[in-house]
Amino acid sequence: GESVGLHLPTLSVQEGDNSIINCAYSNSASDYFIWYKQESGKGPQFIIDIRSNMDKRQGQRVTVLLNKTVKHLSLQIAATQPGDSAVYFCAENPLSGNTPLVFGKGTRLSVIA
Amino acid sequence: GAGVSQSPSNKVTEKGKDVELRCDPISGHTALYWYRQSLGQGLEFLIYFQGNSAPDKSGLPSDRFSAERTGGSVSTLTIQRTQQEDSAVYLCASSPPAGNSNQPQHFGDGTRLSIL
Repeated sequence: GESVGLHLPTLSVQEGDNSIINCAYSNSASDYFIWYKQESGKGPQFIIDIRSNMDKRQGQRVTVLLNKTVKHLSLQIAATQPGDSAVYFCAENPLSGNTPLVFGKGTRLSVIA
Repeated sequence: GAGVSQSPSNKVTEKGKDVELRCDPISGHTALYWYRQSLGQGLEFLIYFQGNSAPDKSGLPSDRFSAERTGGSVSTLTIQRTQQEDSAVYLCASSPPAGNSNQPQHFGDGTRLSIL
């Protein structure tokens, strides 16, 4: 996995606004991607996933966009709420089947009430 | 249903001691993964199991680290002769049978290990 410094990139958003968190992945062979939310003292929580045969997938208040050409993934959160404040990680699966994930650098989302 | 359960939630021990961390995956999940997360950093892969076999141990930092899984269920991660650099949160995840496709990994809340 990647290692980052102690200071995560931070995104500050006003409550009610939309949030966009970006991620660049490393392996062009990856065909499965996941976004996780991690709150303090908790393990990563699954938010949404997308396979490489799609470029967009929507969930409840969340949308994931995949651009394979530039190896970019984004997570959009609509009407951001204080409970959305957390660190968000993207992860890629370079191999098929149940195999280890490679995690990207996290982004800390702070929602301003 | 119950999620991934890890114990202990916190462990403080002296340098040089051995520690054993336990992971109880979601029932029916055949794959089990161990990751490590140092303070303020992302997740680092350690080892994973398909059933009781470990196809990939490449992430284990040294031969002081070992893991086993029995009965296709509970797994233990053992760290011998702990060092201060072993201090981290150790996370376990599991996923259901996938065939040739991928399935999301579901994480426990981890064991926070502190080496004095």
